[in-house]
Amino acid sequence: DQQVKQNSPSLSVQEGRISILNCDYTNSMFDYFLWYKKYPAEGPTFLISISSIKDKNEDGRFTVFLNKSAKHLSLHIVPSQPGDSAVYFCAASKLVTSYGKLTFGQGTILTVHP
Amino acid sequence: NAGVTQTPKFRILKIGQSMTLQCTQDMNHNYMYWYRQDPGMGLKLIYYSVGAGITDKGEVPNGYNVSRSTTEDFPLRLELAAPSQTSVYFCASTRGGGATYQETQYFGPGTRLLVL
Repeated sequence: DQQVKQNSPSLSVQEGRISILNCDYTNSMFDYFLWYKKYPAEGPTFLISISSIKDKNEDGRFTVFLNKSAKHLSLHIVPSQPGDSAVYFCAASKLVTSYGKLTFGQGTILTVHP
Repeated sequence: NAGVTQTPKFRILKIGQSMTLQCTQDMNHNYMYWYRQDPGMGLKLIYYSVGAGITDKGEVPNGYNVSRSTTEDFPLRLELAAPSQTSVYFCASTRGGGATYQETQYFGPGTRLLVL
Protein backbone atom coordinates (compact mmCIF):
# COMPACT_ATOMS: atom_id res chain seq x y z
CA ASP A 1 0.00 0.00 0.00
CA GLN A 2 1.92 2.99 -1.34
CA GLN A 3 0.56 5.96 0.60
CA VAL A 4 2.84 8.48 -1.10
CA LYS A 5 3.41 8.17 -4.83
CA GLN A 6 5.67 9.90 -7.29
CA ASN A 7 4.51 8.61 -10.63
CA SER A 8 7.29 10.10 -12.74
CA PRO A 9 10.53 8.15 -12.27
CA SER A 10 12.50 10.80 -14.13
CA LEU A 11 12.34 14.34 -15.50
CA SER A 12 14.70 16.09 -17.91
CA VAL A 13 14.78 19.90 -18.12
CA GLN A 14 16.88 22.54 -19.81
CA GLU A 15 18.89 24.91 -17.63
CA GLY A 16 16.94 28.08 -16.86
CA ARG A 17 13.54 26.48 -17.41
CA ILE A 18 11.04 25.39 -14.79
CA SER A 19 11.13 21.93 -13.22
CA ILE A 20 7.85 20.59 -11.84
CA LEU A 21 7.92 17.47 -9.71
CA ASN A 22 4.66 15.89 -8.64
CA CYS A 23 3.54 13.82 -5.69
CA ASP A 24 0.21 12.23 -4.73
CA TYR A 25 -0.87 10.82 -1.39
CA THR A 26 -3.76 8.66 -0.29
CA ASN A 27 -3.82 9.04 3.50
CA SER A 28 -5.94 12.03 4.48
CA MET A 29 -4.41 11.96 7.98
CA PHE A 30 -1.12 13.35 6.65
CA ASP A 31 -0.80 16.97 7.70
CA TYR A 32 2.76 17.86 6.84
CA PHE A 33 4.66 17.39 3.61
CA LEU A 34 8.32 17.67 2.78
CA TRP A 35 10.67 17.44 -0.16
CA TYR A 36 14.11 15.93 0.20
CA LYS A 37 16.93 16.02 -2.32
CA LYS A 38 19.49 13.24 -2.68
CA TYR A 39 22.78 13.13 -4.50
CA PRO A 40 24.48 9.78 -5.29
CA ALA A 41 26.32 8.19 -2.36
CA GLU A 42 24.88 10.76 0.07
CA GLY A 43 21.94 10.80 2.44
CA PRO A 44 18.81 12.81 1.64
CA THR A 45 18.85 16.48 2.64
CA PHE A 46 15.82 18.55 3.52
CA LEU A 47 14.72 21.02 0.86
CA ILE A 48 11.35 22.56 1.66
CA SER A 49 8.16 21.71 3.52
CA ILE A 50 4.51 22.72 3.80
CA SER A 51 1.86 22.34 6.44
CA SER A 52 -1.62 21.22 5.45
CA ILE A 53 -3.01 24.55 6.62
CA LYS A 54 -1.22 26.27 3.74
CA ASP A 55 -1.42 25.84 -0.01
CA LYS A 56 1.93 27.34 -0.94
CA ASN A 57 5.37 27.76 0.54
CA GLU A 58 8.29 29.47 -1.14
CA ASP A 59 12.02 29.44 -0.47
CA GLY A 60 14.16 31.12 -3.08
CA ARG A 61 13.95 29.17 -6.32
CA PHE A 62 11.83 26.44 -4.72
CA THR A 63 8.07 26.56 -4.26
CA VAL A 64 5.83 23.79 -3.00
CA PHE A 65 2.12 23.79 -3.77
CA LEU A 66 -0.42 21.70 -1.90
CA ASN A 67 -3.89 20.79 -3.19
CA LYS A 68 -5.57 18.99 -0.30
CA SER A 69 -8.78 18.20 -2.11
CA ALA A 70 -6.82 16.40 -4.82
CA LYS A 71 -4.30 15.00 -2.32
CA HIS A 72 -1.56 16.34 -4.56
CA LEU A 73 1.56 18.40 -4.08
CA SER A 74 4.14 19.69 -6.45
CA LEU A 75 7.62 21.17 -6.25
CA HIS A 76 8.53 23.95 -8.67
CA ILE A 77 12.15 24.89 -9.28
CA VAL A 78 12.65 28.15 -11.15
CA PRO A 79 15.09 28.63 -12.77
CA SER A 80 16.52 25.14 -12.89
CA GLN A 81 20.28 24.78 -12.61
CA PRO A 82 22.59 21.85 -13.45
CA GLY A 83 23.41 21.54 -9.73
CA ASP A 84 19.75 20.72 -9.11
CA SER A 85 20.25 17.36 -10.83
CA ALA A 86 19.48 14.82 -8.12
CA VAL A 87 16.78 12.46 -6.89
CA TYR A 88 13.86 14.27 -5.27
CA PHE A 89 11.74 12.51 -2.67
CA CYS A 90 8.35 13.63 -1.49
CA ALA A 91 7.55 12.69 2.12
CA ALA A 92 4.55 13.02 4.42
CA SER A 93 3.91 12.82 8.13
CA LYS A 94 1.21 13.09 10.78
CA LEU A 95 2.56 15.74 13.09
CA VAL A 96 1.23 15.00 16.51
CA THR A 97 0.88 11.23 16.52
CA SER A 98 3.77 9.90 14.50
CA TYR A 99 6.97 10.88 16.39
CA GLY A 100 8.34 12.50 13.28
CA LYS A 101 8.11 9.36 11.18
CA LEU A 102 8.12 10.03 7.46
CA THR A 103 6.46 8.13 4.62
CA PHE A 104 8.39 8.57 1.40
CA GLY A 105 7.50 8.41 -2.26
CA GLN A 106 9.64 6.45 -4.71
CA GLY A 107 11.60 9.47 -5.88
CA THR A 108 12.00 11.34 -9.18
CA ILE A 109 15.37 11.66 -10.88
CA LEU A 110 15.75 15.24 -12.11
CA THR A 111 18.35 15.96 -14.79
CA VAL A 112 19.01 19.58 -15.69
CA HIS A 113 20.92 19.95 -18.96
CA PRO A 114 23.23 22.95 -19.49
CA ASN B 1 29.87 18.94 14.39
CA ALA B 2 29.80 15.82 12.21
CA GLY B 3 26.00 15.41 12.16
CA VAL B 4 24.94 11.80 11.57
CA THR B 5 27.70 9.29 10.88
CA GLN B 6 27.27 5.70 9.73
CA THR B 7 29.70 2.82 9.53
CA PRO B 8 30.55 0.86 7.52
CA LYS B 9 30.02 2.53 4.13
CA PHE B 10 29.79 -0.79 2.32
CA ARG B 11 29.64 -4.42 3.36
CA ILE B 12 29.19 -7.79 1.70
CA LEU B 13 27.57 -10.47 3.84
CA LYS B 14 27.00 -14.14 3.21
CA ILE B 15 23.51 -15.55 3.74
CA GLY B 16 23.02 -16.37 7.41
CA GLN B 17 25.73 -14.05 8.72
CA SER B 18 24.99 -11.29 11.20
CA MET B 19 26.23 -7.74 11.47
CA THR B 20 25.59 -4.44 13.19
CA LEU B 21 25.24 -1.17 11.33
CA GLN B 22 26.46 1.70 13.45
CA CYS B 23 24.84 5.13 13.65
CA THR B 24 25.96 8.07 15.78
CA GLN B 25 24.72 11.64 15.95
CA ASP B 26 26.34 14.55 17.76
CA MET B 27 23.42 16.99 17.67
CA ASN B 28 21.84 15.80 20.94
CA HIS B 29 18.73 14.78 19.03
CA ASN B 30 16.07 12.79 20.85
CA TYR B 31 14.56 10.98 17.89
CA MET B 32 16.45 8.57 15.65
CA TYR B 33 15.36 6.43 12.73
CA TRP B 34 16.54 3.63 10.48
CA TYR B 35 15.35 3.50 6.88
CA ARG B 36 16.16 1.20 4.01
CA GLN B 37 16.08 2.16 0.36
CA ASP B 38 15.71 -0.50 -2.31
CA PRO B 39 16.52 0.31 -5.97
CA GLY B 40 13.85 2.51 -7.55
CA MET B 41 11.96 2.73 -4.29
CA GLY B 42 11.52 5.29 -1.60
CA LEU B 43 12.85 5.00 1.91
CA LYS B 44 10.97 2.66 4.22
CA LEU B 45 11.13 2.95 8.00
CA ILE B 46 12.60 -0.06 9.80
CA TYR B 47 12.76 1.08 13.44
CA TYR B 48 12.74 4.32 15.34
CA SER B 49 13.56 5.60 18.82
CA VAL B 50 12.24 8.60 20.73
CA GLY B 51 14.92 8.48 23.40
CA ALA B 52 17.43 6.29 25.18
CA GLY B 53 15.83 2.98 26.09
CA ILE B 54 12.74 3.54 23.91
CA THR B 55 12.42 1.92 20.50
CA ASP B 56 9.53 0.87 18.29
CA LYS B 57 8.91 -0.88 14.99
CA GLY B 58 8.43 0.91 11.72
CA GLU B 59 6.97 -0.37 8.48
CA VAL B 60 9.52 -3.14 7.70
CA PRO B 61 11.07 -4.40 10.99
CA ASN B 62 11.30 -8.14 10.25
CA GLY B 63 14.86 -9.47 10.34
CA TYR B 64 16.22 -6.49 12.28
CA ASN B 65 16.76 -5.42 15.86
CA VAL B 66 17.75 -2.14 17.45
CA SER B 67 18.83 -0.77 20.78
CA ARG B 68 19.27 2.74 22.13
CA SER B 69 21.41 2.82 25.24
CA THR B 70 22.63 6.39 24.73
CA THR B 71 21.25 9.52 23.10
CA GLU B 72 24.03 9.48 20.51
CA ASP B 73 24.00 5.88 19.26
CA PHE B 74 21.34 3.83 17.50
CA PRO B 75 22.81 0.58 16.10
CA LEU B 76 20.83 -1.67 13.76
CA ARG B 77 21.41 -5.41 14.07
CA LEU B 78 20.83 -7.87 11.23
CA GLU B 79 20.47 -11.45 12.35
CA LEU B 80 20.67 -14.25 9.77
CA ALA B 81 21.17 -12.04 6.72
CA ALA B 82 19.03 -12.82 3.66
CA PRO B 83 19.31 -11.62 0.04
CA SER B 84 16.11 -9.60 0.58
CA GLN B 85 18.08 -7.42 2.99
CA THR B 86 20.34 -6.20 0.20
CA SER B 87 19.69 -2.48 0.32
CA VAL B 88 21.05 0.91 1.28
CA TYR B 89 20.46 1.73 4.92
CA PHE B 90 20.07 5.28 6.16
CA CYS B 91 20.08 6.48 9.72
CA ALA B 92 18.44 9.81 10.56
CA SER B 93 17.87 11.96 13.60
CA THR B 94 15.74 14.91 14.62
CA ARG B 95 15.33 17.03 17.72
CA GLY B 96 11.81 15.86 18.38
CA GLY B 97 8.33 15.82 17.01
CA GLY B 98 6.89 19.29 16.69
CA ALA B 99 3.20 19.90 17.18
CA THR B 100 2.87 22.47 14.42
CA TYR B 101 5.75 21.67 12.13
CA GLN B 102 7.93 18.74 11.20
CA GLU B 103 11.39 18.98 12.68
CA THR B 104 14.01 18.47 9.99
CA GLN B 105 15.40 14.96 9.82
CA TYR B 106 19.14 14.84 9.25
CA PHE B 107 20.37 11.78 7.40
CA GLY B 108 23.66 9.95 7.46
CA PRO B 109 25.46 9.06 4.21
CA GLY B 110 24.15 5.49 4.21
CA THR B 111 25.51 1.95 4.41
CA ARG B 112 25.33 -0.15 1.25
CA LEU B 113 24.76 -3.81 2.11
CA LEU B 114 25.00 -6.71 -0.28
CA VAL B 115 23.89 -10.17 0.88
CA LEU B 116 25.08 -13.04 -1.28
